Amino acid sequence: QSALTQPASVSGSPGQSITISCTGTSSDVGGYNYVSWYQQHPGKAPKLIIYDVSNRPSGVSNRFSGSKSGNTASLTISGLQAEDEADYYCSSYTSSSTGVFGGGTKLTVL
Amino acid sequence: QLQLQESGPGLVKPSETLSLTCAVSGGSISSGYYYWAWIRQPPGKGLEWIGSIYYSGSTYYNPSLKSRVTISVDTSKNQFSLKLSSVTAADTALYYCTTHPPYSGFDSWGQGTLVTVSS
Repeated sequence: QSALTQPASVSGSPGQSITISCTGTSSDVGGYNYVSWYQQHPGKAPKLIIYDVSNRPSGVSNRFSGSKSGNTASLTISGLQAEDEADYYCSSYTSSSTGVFGGGTKLTVL
Repeated sequence: QLQLQESGPGLVKPSETLSLTCAVSGGSISSGYYYWAWIRQPPGKGLEWIGSIYYSGSTYYNPSLKSRVTISVDTSKNQFSLKLSSVTAADTALYYCTTHPPYSGFDSWGQGTLVTVSS
């Protein structure tokens, strides 16, 4: 199975919105509504911020939102804050009953 | 809220078997709601799903590691384990144990344990 494709880096200024894409195939992202997103600060374990494409776990800011179109899922962060600077990973369930991650995207808040 | 804690040797010799255990607290591994999974992250790199297990023993493995991986569950101790055989330097990574509902996101994570493969 191939890793999902994410941009290596994105950046934005405080208050702006940014979107991170996650491209897979019809055997993973496109075939199931089981895409999740994770935020990872340096030296910390990843934190689930979006599951099942667009659902937020309890306690996660509503500035984080997820969507999907075809084989590409997207994470949007609105009202960018300095604390949002982190690495972001997408993940999907696959037709082989396995899981697959994207390569990760480094978000820089300018 | 589930709490997970990895344990095991931090240094493993090449060609040997890496063995890690994840202790679960705050809930029963036999609850039937969760799958129990291992994920790793090489230093400075991204996340890689290793595999998942259900309390009944059903397992699902990353095809790229399947020939070397065994994940097992011990319901009496409320813990699950990872064994990775024939390790090389490429297996050096931070290893996390996690949980996830069927098909869905990994929602509880251990703090991670660094395993270095070196002679």
